[in-house]
Amino acid sequence: AQSVTQLGSHVSVSEGALVLLRCNYSSSVPPYLFWYVQYPNQGLQLLLKYTTGATLVKGINGFEAEFKKSETSFHLTKPSAHMSDAAEYFCAVSLNAGGTSYGKLTFGQGTILTVHP
Amino acid sequence: EAGVAQSPRYKIIEKRQSVAFWCNPISGHATLYWYQQILGQGPKLLIQFQNNGVVDDSQLPKDRFSAERLKGVDSTLKIQPAKLEDSAVYLCASSPRLTSGRGEQFFGPGTRLTVL
Repeated sequence: AQSVTQLGSHVSVSEGALVLLRCNYSSSVPPYLFWYVQYPNQGLQLLLKYTTGATLVKGINGFEAEFKKSETSFHLTKPSAHMSDAAEYFCAVSLNAGGTSYGKLTFGQGTILTVHP
Repeated sequence: EAGVAQSPRYKIIEKRQSVAFWCNPISGHATLYWYQQILGQGPKLLIQFQNNGVVDDSQLPKDRFSAERLKGVDSTLKIQPAKLEDSAVYLCASSPRLTSGRGEQFFGPGTRLTVL
């Protein structure tokens, strides 16, 4: 079974500062990894995903994440925070395997990002 | 392209009452998911459909929850009877096909259920 741990339920940064949201996973097989963003009263929107190939993946709105197998991590970063980045962010994993695991996402508990002027 | 539609957006009921949520996925998407998102937690998969067949319902509390996807398009999730702990946001998502885990899921805005 797979699981996801997001370190820090709340992260606060100043506008223009580096954003770092941490995600660690456990999986018995090579995982697919995702970051989703959720704005208030809205559904989840995909920011980026890692499936295979390059371990540094770039997403929308200037976000990127690096898959580090040795550290079982998939941390999300953005060089310069903007006020519009304030939202809740979820890391998720699905299994690179067959059977009933197809497409099944397991989410972390979420990290609320606050951006101060 | 229209997104995933859900209704109602908000619902308040008393415990032991029944409630139903409706989802219309993106046109042509074969796979449909229902998630439960309790405040302060990440979404948890309740049930996954491929066309009108159930792929995974291992985390669906079958004594009170039921779901169907007639004709492989729209889906309805029902709770009968509701408990206080069912208060949550119920999210519907769809994806084009059973994608072996690679593909993006597209989420609707959710239905916020409050059980009093």
